[in-house]
Amino acid sequence: EIVLTQSPGTLSLSPGERATLSCRASQSVSSSYLAWYQQKPGQAPRLLIYGASRRAGGIPDRFSGSGSGTDFTLTISRLEPEDFAVYYCQQYGSSPPTLTFGGGTKVEVK
Amino acid sequence: QVHLQESGPGLVKPSETLSLTCTVSGYSVSNGFFWGWIRQPPGTGLEWIGSFSHSGSIYYNPSLKSRVTISVDTSKNQFSLNLSSVTAADTAVYYCVGDSRSSWYYYWGQGTLVTVSS
Repeated sequence: EIVLTQSPGTLSLSPGERATLSCRASQSVSSSYLAWYQQKPGQAPRLLIYGASRRAGGIPDRFSGSGSGTDFTLTISRLEPEDFAVYYCQQYGSSPPTLTFGGGTKVEVK
Repeated sequence: QVHLQESGPGLVKPSETLSLTCTVSGYSVSNGFFWGWIRQPPGTGLEWIGSFSHSGSIYYNPSLKSRVTISVDTSKNQFSLNLSSVTAADTAVYYCVGDSRSSWYYYWGQGTLVTVSS
């Protein structure tokens, strides 16, 4: 089973700053099968990035994903007030088909 | 626009079976989508429970497989989750999800909190 470790656990930043979130896998993950979600309190997660670097529909271009193998990154170029939330990475394993999530990174207002 | 809505009891007794239904609107569950369930214990992260495809293939989280059943009712455009022998550790917000791929999920229900308590 692939384990996803997200760091840092909490990121304290100010609006306008750049956020860099890390997701490290215990084994190599196909880039095609790595996704990122945003979750705000009391809401369902929202798909931000799929295929490691492709933005989902309606996602602003300040969100970008990159990485390959075991190291993936979500970058928010300039934090807007609505971006303060918890972010999860997720990978899909095909044999057998399973989904696993990282523990999350909370982006909070400094 | 695809819309998903969970329904079911908010309180289940230990050792009993948790049963939830997801009603889908805006898309037929029998078309080319993948559907599933994901849960989130209070204050913690996300856990995939299981998924199924329009072709009938069903996949479960190995850690829950012995207790989980996912089924579909195409006549009502719904799918369901049964989780047997529940304990307090099964207390969580349960989400139903859907997407054209099984690799991630774009469509989520609002979630429903199920508490396991006597």
